[in-house]
Amino acid sequence: EAGVAQSPRYKIIEKRQSVAFWCNPISGHATLYWYQQILGQGPKLLIQFQNNGVVDDSQLPKDRFSAERLKGVDSTLKIQPAKLEDSAVYLCASSYGGSNYGYTFGSGTRLTVV
Amino acid sequence: AQSVSQHNHHVILSEAASLELGCNYSYGGTVNLFWYVQYPGQHLQLLLKYFSGDPLVKGIKGFEAEFIKSKFSFNLRKPSVQWSDTAEYFCAVIRSGSARQLTFGSGTQLTVLP
Repeated sequence: EAGVAQSPRYKIIEKRQSVAFWCNPISGHATLYWYQQILGQGPKLLIQFQNNGVVDDSQLPKDRFSAERLKGVDSTLKIQPAKLEDSAVYLCASSYGGSNYGYTFGSGTRLTVV
Repeated sequence: AQSVSQHNHHVILSEAASLELGCNYSYGGTVNLFWYVQYPGQHLQLLLKYFSGDPLVKGIKGFEAEFIKSKFSFNLRKPSVQWSDTAEYFCAVIRSGSARQLTFGSGTQLTVLP
């Protein structure tokens, strides 16, 4: 089966600019997650969707980050305005929600804010 | 306090050496435990998982892990590492009632010298 697709792979922006990342999950996976992985740390959950509804966005910095999952399929994560500390890899994952917690991760988008 | 702890940040071994990477978690109650591997430039891949039953679980590529409930630990082991095992390894936990959200440790970078 096709994996979780993410684009772009790399992005360099200046602070205070805006940026958007796109994720296309595995077909049929109802649950979609966005994680932030700062260099030297493990991935940290930003937001979880179930179909097109938000399950948990408690760790999303809502003053600058936003995410949507229209039609319950692909998703976008936006940062506006970006800060230096937003430099990280942004990972998208999807899950079919079965008892085996079948997570599949995308390759991520590496964001550098200068 | 960090919820999932990986005390070894960087481990360097020679080929054929034995490997043990530590993972401890601080949650009470039911947990599901995972080890993921991230090869350079690639996405996170599942090595193995524990849900219930035999506390010694075997994964792909000769890896295994042992769940010791009394020690809140889930250490990863491999009897003989190969150069191709060079990667970053992440321990992760899903707590009961957490909407199936993975919480990751900070990762251990393994370097295997040929």
